[in-house]
Amino acid sequence: QVQLVQSGAEVRKPGASVKVSCKASGYTFTDFYIHWVRQAPGQGLEWMGWINPNTGLTNYAQKFQTRVTMARDTSSNTAYMELKSLRSDDAAVYYCARDPNGNFFLDYWGQGTLVTVSS
Amino acid sequence: QSILTQPPSASGTPGQRVTISCSGSSSNIGRHTVNWYQQLPGTAPKLLIYSDNQRPSGVSDRFSASKSGTSASLAISGLQSEDEADYYCAAWDDSLTGLFGGGTKLTVL
Repeated sequence: QVQLVQSGAEVRKPGASVKVSCKASGYTFTDFYIHWVRQAPGQGLEWMGWINPNTGLTNYAQKFQTRVTMARDTSSNTAYMELKSLRSDDAAVYYCARDPNGNFFLDYWGQGTLVTVSS
Repeated sequence: QSILTQPPSASGTPGQRVTISCSGSSSNIGRHTVNWYQQLPGTAPKLLIYSDNQRPSGVSDRFSASKSGTSASLAISGLQSEDEADYYCAAWDDSLTGLFGGGTKLTVL
């Protein structure tokens, strides 16, 4: 069965970086885009960008252009999202999700990774 | 403030039919398909509707959706207590950005 398993919760200080992983199983990793979506406490969903695991091509939301890097390792079927220069308002649950056809429909989601930013 | 506009809240009694609207523009809903997600408390979002009105396997037929022009709507019939959740519409935008609505909190009275 399709699964996206994310890395565990992280605590960072302001200004630091965090890298979240998303390990895919149960399907051909390179056949589906991986999107990253975050949700601040009590807030809605916010799209951060996607990576095409086949080509490595990325597309980032303008808001995160200068601070985010998405990557993949096809040998381990794992996608990564690194966010730099963390601020307090980056505290959120970060989700990876699979997109079967590029129409931004996310049919499987990871369980989420809580990132806490605190001095 | 989200580019896709949803009412912040909706409510209904068990058995009722409720609808949730999602308003966008010609660069997103008007040109791209709309998807809907359900998020139960403390869990990851779940795909509820894709490609404007298609239900994934396993989603109850009590959930339906439609789109007209730059607006879309989600309908839930035969409301049940387990439907109490947050609902989000989503669509791609011509600016190569993924958009979510602000979310609608559904309360079953």
